[in-house]
Amino acid sequence: RKEVEQDPGPFNVPEGATVAFNCTYSNSASQSFFWYRQDCRKEPKLLMSVYSSGNEDGRFTAQLNRASQYISLLIRDSKLSDSATYLCVVDGDGGSQGNLIFGKGTKLSVKP
Amino acid sequence: GAGVSQSPSNKVTEKGKDVELRCDPISGHTALYWYRQSLGQGLEFLIYFQGNSAPDKSGLPSDRFSAERTGGSVSTLTIQRTQQEDSAVYLCAIANGNYYGYTFGSGTRLTVV
Repeated sequence: RKEVEQDPGPFNVPEGATVAFNCTYSNSASQSFFWYRQDCRKEPKLLMSVYSSGNEDGRFTAQLNRASQYISLLIRDSKLSDSATYLCVVDGDGGSQGNLIFGKGTKLSVKP
Repeated sequence: GAGVSQSPSNKVTEKGKDVELRCDPISGHTALYWYRQSLGQGLEFLIYFQGNSAPDKSGLPSDRFSAERTGGSVSTLTIQRTQQEDSAVYLCAIANGNYYGYTFGSGTRLTVV
């Protein structure tokens, strides 16, 4: 069975904290990896793709370890507006437009 | 989200009735997906359309569910004889291009009473 596993949280952190989320996936043939953000009662929105060499977008850093089938997301200097559920997403069949498999998400709550 | 329009945004229906959910993507996107998200749960893949190929229906939970995509654009998801366990948010998505993830519509919240 193709799965994506995440710690459900919640992660409760103060503003300014650094927080890390982890994710493991079961299909070694997967080629595309993403982090999505989902606000309460809203649709998921793409936060960032995850590349083999690791990549950074402002306060957000994503890492991929293919050997361990492990993905991470690091958020530095957390803001109140970062409060959301973060979804780890992996393609299901190694194809470019095949269906994506979503983890159940890790809930982040940033407090003042 | 921009690029994918879903209707209705909310639907309340009685158990046993049929419902039809609509997804209208902006033109030019050949890949279209339906997912559903039950309360407190992750996204569950339902069906995937890619161009003129036969759709991947492997995620449809029962034969009460069907979907079609006409003219390579608008898609409708039909649920026959709705059950309470069908209550969920039904999300439509388009691919952003190879390896660039999806853009989701804002979803249809279905409540079966």
